[in-house]
Amino acid sequence: DTGVSQDPRHKITKRGQNVTFRCDPISEHNRLYWYRQTLGQGPEFLTYFQNEAQLEKSRLLSDRFSAERPKGSFSTLEIQRTEQGDSAMYLCASSQGLAGITDTQYFGPGTRLTVL
Amino acid sequence: QKEVEQNSGPLSVPEGAIASLNCTYSDRGSQSFFWYRQYSGKSPELIMFIYSNGDKEDGRFTAQLNKASQYVSLLIRDSQPSDSATYLCAVDSNSGYALNFGKGTSLLVTP
Repeated sequence: DTGVSQDPRHKITKRGQNVTFRCDPISEHNRLYWYRQTLGQGPEFLTYFQNEAQLEKSRLLSDRFSAERPKGSFSTLEIQRTEQGDSAMYLCASSQGLAGITDTQYFGPGTRLTVL
Repeated sequence: QKEVEQNSGPLSVPEGAIASLNCTYSDRGSQSFFWYRQYSGKSPELIMFIYSNGDKEDGRFTAQLNKASQYVSLLIRDSQPSDSATYLCAVDSNSGYALNFGKGTSLLVTP
């Protein structure tokens, strides 16, 4: 399978705990994105990477959230001190990174987070 | 003002009919437009992208873009029950390469 993969697919945690999600992009895709989706809403942008550089962060990405993409390969998204409002589907996407345009983003299966 | 607007539906069409899904956007500078399909509990799946004014056809799907009116649509010909899903319109943002999504239109194709 050469698509975007995410792990875990489901995570249930208690309020106040830290969680970490992993995303493996399509091989050779330079850009990697994180989005969050809640019920009845479209995905909302959180952050994106061009290779290992984190180039843009949404105001939705509070200081409890941190993302990394070491060596420009897989990425992790960590949420510290989780709150019930963090319950959502966390989606990772990747794209080739064609210069000068917003190119097609391919989504992984998502990680569904439930904070009790 | 919401940057990408879609009618939430549900839009109900009989099997074999044409389904027409519409989307408006607020940023005149937008250049890249995408339609994704999302089944309940699943992640978005790309259907089509369009960059230029006019029509773009791919099988049963046609994307239409009118930048002057800031309007993009998706036509699905010969609709099938398996097309029943939420259709998300996405437009490039005015900074970086993020996508702004609408809330999606729920489509129901009845046998």
